[in-house]
Amino acid sequence: QVQLQESGPGLVKPSETLSLTCTVSGGSISSSYYYWGWIRQPPGKGLEWIGSFYYSGIMYYNPSLKSRVTIYADTSKNQFSLRLNSVTAADTAVYYCARRHGTTVVTWGQGILVTVSS
Amino acid sequence: EIVLTQSPGTLSLSPGERATLSCRTSQSVGSSYLAWYQQKPGQAPRLLIYGASSRATGIPDRFSGSGSGTDFTLTISRLEPEDFAVYFCQHFDHLPLLTFGGGTKVEIK
Repeated sequence: QVQLQESGPGLVKPSETLSLTCTVSGGSISSSYYYWGWIRQPPGKGLEWIGSFYYSGIMYYNPSLKSRVTIYADTSKNQFSLRLNSVTAADTAVYYCARRHGTTVVTWGQGILVTVSS
Repeated sequence: EIVLTQSPGTLSLSPGERATLSCRTSQSVGSSYLAWYQQKPGQAPRLLIYGASSRATGIPDRFSGSGSGTDFTLTISRLEPEDFAVYFCQHFDHLPLLTFGGGTKVEIK
C-alpha cells in the first residue's frame, strides 16, 4: 500500500521560502501510471491544487501560483519536494502531498500545517 | 477556469436520514471528470466517488453519485455516525488541472 508523508518546517517567516518534502513508501514516483503533487487547505477553508509532475519530468502548476512554485523530484530517495517563494500569511495552510491517477486523487499524505508568521 | 459551487454549505441531519449534496459547475463538464471526497476533522480527504457515479474501493453502497452537465449530486442513503464530515466535489480539466468545490458540512442535528 502506497503511503505519503510530508515533512518540513511548520513555521515560515513572511517573504521567505516554504520548503516541504514528501517521502513515498510502498510505490515508486517513477511509476508511469501516476502523477505526484501538492494540494493545500487554509484552516477552515477549501482545497487548492498547487501542482503535479509525471515521471517523465513534465510539470504542471496552478497558474495562480506558478510564478512562486517549484516542484522537483529525487528518484534516488523516492521523494518529491515543494518550494513556494515569497510567502505571506495567505499561504498559511495544511499542505498535502498527493498521488493522482487519471482524474482523481487516490492517495493523500496526512498533511502538514505550515504557518507564515514573523 | 471552471468554478464548482456546492450547496448547501451546511446540512443538519440525524443518523438514519438521507443526505443530498449538490455540486454545480460553471459550465458543462464531462461526467468522467467529476469526483467526490469526504474529509473528517484533522484528516486528509478520502476519495468516495469518481466518474460522477463510481464508488471508490471500499466505499459503502449507501454512498452514491449522479448527475451530468452542470449538476451533480452525492447522496448518502442512510447516515451513519461516521458519515458526519465535510464533503468536497472536484473537477479535472485543463490548467488548473484540479479544482475543488467549497465543501458541504454534514453535521448532526
